Amino acid sequence: SQELEQSPQSLIVQEGKNLTINCTSSKTLYGLYWYKQKYGEGLIFLMMLQKGGEEKSHEKITAKLDEKKQQSSLHITASQPSHAGIYLCGADISRAGNNRKLIWGLGTSLAVNP
Amino acid sequence: ETGVTQTPRHLVMGMTNKKSLKCEQHLGHNAMYWYKQSAKKPLELMFVYNFKEQTENNSVPSRFSPECPNSSHLFLHLHTLQPEDSALYLCASSQSLAGRRWEQYFGPGTRLTVT
Repeated sequence: SQELEQSPQSLIVQEGKNLTINCTSSKTLYGLYWYKQKYGEGLIFLMMLQKGGEEKSHEKITAKLDEKKQQSSLHITASQPSHAGIYLCGADISRAGNNRKLIWGLGTSLAVNP
Repeated sequence: ETGVTQTPRHLVMGMTNKKSLKCEQHLGHNAMYWYKQSAKKPLELMFVYNFKEQTENNSVPSRFSPECPNSSHLFLHLHTLQPEDSALYLCASSQSLAGRRWEQYFGPGTRLTVT
């Protein structure tokens, strides 16, 4: 099994609908990063969370890190075709915070139908 | 545009060829990374450089040879590759590896096909 599990693996939604993507770890997450990737291209940084209970928003995307710091969710409100892509979570499981021990999920592929 | 550029964007090479991938960051960062992204696998960290010094080599085969002449440039030299090395190679940079946690900024990647 993966160290960092993302669910669902893929998602198809109608434009305007809300959706949630989850990222779960069996280890404590000292830093949690959300990225978006268009197929075959680089990763675009969305948000970073570090503190348990932390929540950040950017435009219509909100990310939360749960109190126990072992799960994060990414919520998109009123989805648009521009939200389509692959959402990846990366986690720093090193307490030292040296960015060298990042683990990654497999990604969630999102399609938004107009 | 993330401030990290990679060339070439696509590369097809035979198993006996020698080629190099180039990465340049315009963000004033001090740490640079090479990742390999293959289908149905998580991102694999290959090499990490901090202030031009290699700090991480995650058991990468010697047919991959990194070079970091300064904090803005990173190369990946390739020779006698295998078909299973075909993948998207991503370069990233961040502020540094010390102190607080920093997000990484990624380049667009080089799609490598080994024939």
